[in-house]
Amino acid sequence: DSGVTQTPKHLITATGQRVTLRCSPRSGDLSVYWYQQSLDQGLQFLIQYYNGEERAKGNILERFSAQQFPDLHSELNLSSLELGDSALYFCASSVDRPNNEQFFGPGTRLTVL
Amino acid sequence: EDQVTQSPEALRLQEGESSSLNCSYTVSGLRGLFWYRQDPGKGPEFLFTLYSAGEEKEKERLKATLTKKESFLHITAPKPEDSATYLCAVSPTLLYGGSQGNLIFGKGTKLSVKP
Repeated sequence: DSGVTQTPKHLITATGQRVTLRCSPRSGDLSVYWYQQSLDQGLQFLIQYYNGEERAKGNILERFSAQQFPDLHSELNLSSLELGDSALYFCASSVDRPNNEQFFGPGTRLTVL
Repeated sequence: EDQVTQSPEALRLQEGESSSLNCSYTVSGLRGLFWYRQDPGKGPEFLFTLYSAGEEKEKERLKATLTKKESFLHITAPKPEDSATYLCAVSPTLLYGGSQGNLIFGKGTKLSVKP
């Protein structure tokens, strides 16, 4: 158990809909990262937040957005969903030391029908 | 462009048959190289961080090494419970120094160990 929690475990929804994925980082970790894992692309970095502020952006679509709240939990919002958005979405957290070890949550499996 | 390539894509071993997994990387500057283990449908589990060429780290049957262009994950006398996908990732530095902190992952090596 990494100490990172994610809810829900599974989400099944329809094209065009909007969903919210939630992540609670390990106690003491200020950085939260979101990654998408699909069969053909592997793990792709989406976005990073540090202590409530956006720090880095990867290949995140404009239909996707995220935020980190004062209690450090984070939410990833996916809107106007398409079939291709079906994937595993992982949250990771780190202390933000130079070694930057990231600890991953169990993931949310999103299925868009 | 920063890139991580892992080989082989899949590896089948008999229990006790030692082997190595390869991770080659191209980055503008390396802040750290990371190895993770991932079981099907689960989140990646952190194994090792390596920072500089020549560094080695061990954990049970696993040993990770780093050169200037690649890293190896050696598995000695594997057991069926070592079956998983092993992911390599790099944390690159930015041109002006520092790091964004995100990891760039390879596509992984799927290891199967048969009893």
